[in-house]
Amino acid sequence: EPEVTQTPSHQVTQMGQEVILRCVPISNHLYFYWYRQILGQKVEFLVSFYNNEISEKSEIFDDQFSVERPDGSNFTLKIRSTKLEDSAMYFCASSGTPGSTDTQYFGPGTRLTVL
Amino acid sequence: SQQGEEDPQALSIQEGENATMNCSYKTSINNLQWYRQNSGRGLVHLILIRSNEREKHSGRLRVTLDTSKKSSSLLITASRAADTASYFCATTNDYKLSFGAGTTVTVRA
Repeated sequence: EPEVTQTPSHQVTQMGQEVILRCVPISNHLYFYWYRQILGQKVEFLVSFYNNEISEKSEIFDDQFSVERPDGSNFTLKIRSTKLEDSAMYFCASSGTPGSTDTQYFGPGTRLTVL
Repeated sequence: SQQGEEDPQALSIQEGENATMNCSYKTSINNLQWYRQNSGRGLVHLILIRSNEREKHSGRLRVTLDTSKKSSSLLITASRAADTASYFCATTNDYKLSFGAGTTVTVRA
C-alpha cells in the first residue's frame, strides 16, 4: 500500500540553525501539507501546497518557514533560523484531491529538537 | 475556530468492551475524519464521513455525524489491546484539517 515517507525520523539542531525536513508524498497525489504537533498538544496545520504554490497557510507559518517541491517526488519544509519553540513533531501529508473532499494520508513524522 | 474537541479526554476499558468517544465542532464542515495515533508515532487515518452522511462503518469502527448538533461519535466495538492509542477527530474546510486534542484510550488485557 502506498505511504508517505519522511526523513529524518529525528533531527537535533542548535538554535538559529537552518533545518530541512523531507517528505515523499504518495506518488499520484497532488496536494501536500505540513502539520506540527508540539509535545502534549494538538496537531496544528502549517501549510498546504498545490501546483507548485502555497494554497493556504496558518499564522504559525511565518517568514522563517518555506516549502518547496524541488523535483517530482520530494516535498520539503525549511525552517531558516530555528527557535526553541520550534521543537515539535512535524508531519507531512498528501491527498489526491482538495483536502475538503478526500483523505489526507500522513507520514510517520520527523521529531525536531532545537537546543 | 472549527476545531473538533473530543470527549472524554481519557478512557480506560477492558479488552472486549466497546469504546465510545465524541467530538464536537463549531462551524460548518465539508467532512469529518477520525485518526489514530500510537504513542509518539504518526497519524493513521481511520474513517471519513461526509457532511451529508449520518453513519459510516469500517470493520469494528462505527462513526456517526449529527450536523445539527455539530457532533460526531466514534465507536470501537470488541476492543483489543492493540486499540490502545489516542484518537483524534479532524474537521475539514477547504484545504486544512483542524484537529481536536484527542481521546486517549487504554485497553486493559
